[in-house]
Amino acid sequence: KAGVTQTPRYLIKTRGQQVTLSCSPISGHRSVSWYQQTPGQGLQFLFEYFSETQRNKGNFPGRFSGRQFSNSRSEMNVSTLELGDSALYLCASSYRGLSSSYNEQFFGPGTRLTVL
Amino acid sequence: EDKVVQSPLSLVVHEGDTVTLNCSYEVTNFRSLLWYKQEKKAPTFLFMLTSSGIEKKSGRLSSILDKKELFSILNITATQTGDSAIYLCAVEALRTGANNLFFGTGTRLTVIP
Repeated sequence: KAGVTQTPRYLIKTRGQQVTLSCSPISGHRSVSWYQQTPGQGLQFLFEYFSETQRNKGNFPGRFSGRQFSNSRSEMNVSTLELGDSALYLCASSYRGLSSSYNEQFFGPGTRLTVL
Repeated sequence: EDKVVQSPLSLVVHEGDTVTLNCSYEVTNFRSLLWYKQEKKAPTFLFMLTSSGIEKKSGRLSSILDKKELFSILNITATQTGDSAIYLCAVEALRTGANNLFFGTGTRLTVIP
């Protein structure tokens, strides 16, 4: 079974630009979560999508948005980039059935975003 | 405010040593505590703990949860260089519509030969 894939793996942008990151979950997984990881803040939850609906959201500004498609693939968009957005962006997928009990999350390799 | 605190922030040991990593938390509506190992990029799942006092074990790694004192420890015995990684602790909270997985900043373990 193929793992979680993320594209691109590396990205360099300048302040004010926008960026779209993509995540393809493990086949059969319906939940995709996004995280931002920085050395100072650690791993912080951005949002979770399940069946094309945003189910949970972390404490990030509205510049951070996402969506999920019918095939469970997800995209994350950051508009008006700031220097502080430089980070590793990880996505994780899980089966996460209707009972909403925790299912193991499988992480992708991440996208390293650098904002200049 | 929900928070997960890990200690130490970093640790350097020699091969064969035993290490104990700590995770304390203050999260309302606690559901479970999870440990991950992050070597290069993607964290990989180690343990999920939901009940106090029950040790989870996998090879040289073991973990236990104390829900009364709100902490967990991860033990690694007979460490090897391949154990070098960042170890992340996360706490899952039972709630809807808001963040329900809180991570600590991690403990960076370096095992030297």
